[in-house]
Amino acid sequence: GAGVSQSPSNKVTEKGKDVELRCDPISGHTALYWYRQSLGQGLEFLIYFQGNSAPDKSGLPSDRFSAERTGGSVSTLTIQRTQQEDSAVYLCASSYQGETQYFGPGTRLLVL
Amino acid sequence: AQKVTQAQTEISVVEKEDVTLDCVYETRDTTYYLFWYKQPPSGELVFLIRRNSFDEQNEISGRYSWNFQKSTSSFNFTITASQVVDSAVYFCALRNTGFQKLVFGTGTRLLVSP
Repeated sequence: GAGVSQSPSNKVTEKGKDVELRCDPISGHTALYWYRQSLGQGLEFLIYFQGNSAPDKSGLPSDRFSAERTGGSVSTLTIQRTQQEDSAVYLCASSYQGETQYFGPGTRLLVL
Repeated sequence: AQKVTQAQTEISVVEKEDVTLDCVYETRDTTYYLFWYKQPPSGELVFLIRRNSFDEQNEISGRYSWNFQKSTSSFNFTITASQVVDSAVYFCALRNTGFQKLVFGTGTRLLVSP
């Protein structure tokens, strides 16, 4: 079946602009996660959704980062006023009721 | 606190050699899950295995095997008769029961040469 999909695959933006990253989880998966992978910080957890609510936002690095999930499916990660340190690969994962997390291909973000 | 240590940054082997990737974890919880993921050059994280803390049986899947030892807080991964297609970065991860986030190690880059 279809895996986790993310769009865009690549995004280049200028410092100070807002960006939106999208994640489509595996059909039927109730939980959705965002992670960030950067050279300096490795793989870091950002936020977790169960249904449309986010019980754990502990990994969001600043208030410039926000995420929402609608209809228990698609999620959008928004970064406002992007900074160069936001450059990273943003990975989305989904799982069925908190079991094994399956990852998407990621969105590579470059902030100039 | 949760922590995963993969001390081997990079390993180079020649095809058909066996190779073991080390993973040591720290957690105060008595119940937890351990994972291995593979990240090939394409970039996508591919799930390999999940282990529950109460199940210390070793696992074998084809050329892959995993050795879980609670006494040493280790969850090592062995590839037997390595192949060029095994070249990738391998991540070990920990999830405590009651939390959803995965805590990853820094990864081990495996390069298998023909």
